[in-house]
Amino acid sequence: ILNVEQSPQSLHVQEGDSTNFTCSFPSSNFYALHWYRWETAKSPEALFVMTLNGDEKKKGRISATLNTKEGYSYLYIKGSQPEDSATYLCAFNAGNNRKLIWGLGTSLAVNP
Amino acid sequence: NAGVTQTPKFRILKIGQSMTLQCAQDMNHNYMYWYRQDPGMGLKLIYYSVGAGITDKGEVPNGYNVSRSTTEDFPLRLELAAPSQTSVYFCASSARLAGDKNIQYFGAGTRLSVL
Repeated sequence: ILNVEQSPQSLHVQEGDSTNFTCSFPSSNFYALHWYRWETAKSPEALFVMTLNGDEKKKGRISATLNTKEGYSYLYIKGSQPEDSATYLCAFNAGNNRKLIWGLGTSLAVNP
Repeated sequence: NAGVTQTPKFRILKIGQSMTLQCAQDMNHNYMYWYRQDPGMGLKLIYYSVGAGITDKGEVPNGYNVSRSTTEDFPLRLELAAPSQTSVYFCASSARLAGDKNIQYFGAGTRLSVL
């Protein structure tokens, strides 16, 4: 059974703090690792799709790294802002079968 | 820029009633998916489709049916609604292009309560 685990489950930080979360996934049969941002009352939106070991992606203050050999990815947010408050989901794509296996997400709350 | 459109946004059903959740995408995506999201459970795949006329079961298909007669539409049918089907349902689609790495685009969700 393929399992994707995210930690921590939830996080409360102050505005301006930098933070990071972890996504662990199976290291075999890797195809891609996705990060999505899910704001309350909206639908998930893709942040990054990462495919190569050692990949680093950056979008504004948010960046992600990938280690496919050991099966983990980190998402970093530098200088958190209240608008960063959301649930951050990661999803693992094994092979190229078009199905994603989703983690439960890390819920981030940024206090002003 | 419609993307993925789901209707209705909210619905309350009585036990045993049936209904169809509609999903349409205008991005010419081959792949479409139905998920349900329950508190603390994450997104669970109900059914998916790799193209018109082709559907397949996901992790939690029991109690649901789908059809894919066109590329654009992927309705989800509940035949005999049960309280266990109270959930938020998301439809998503993704392109066939190899370079896109299966990025999924989501609809706004349908919140369904079965009482």
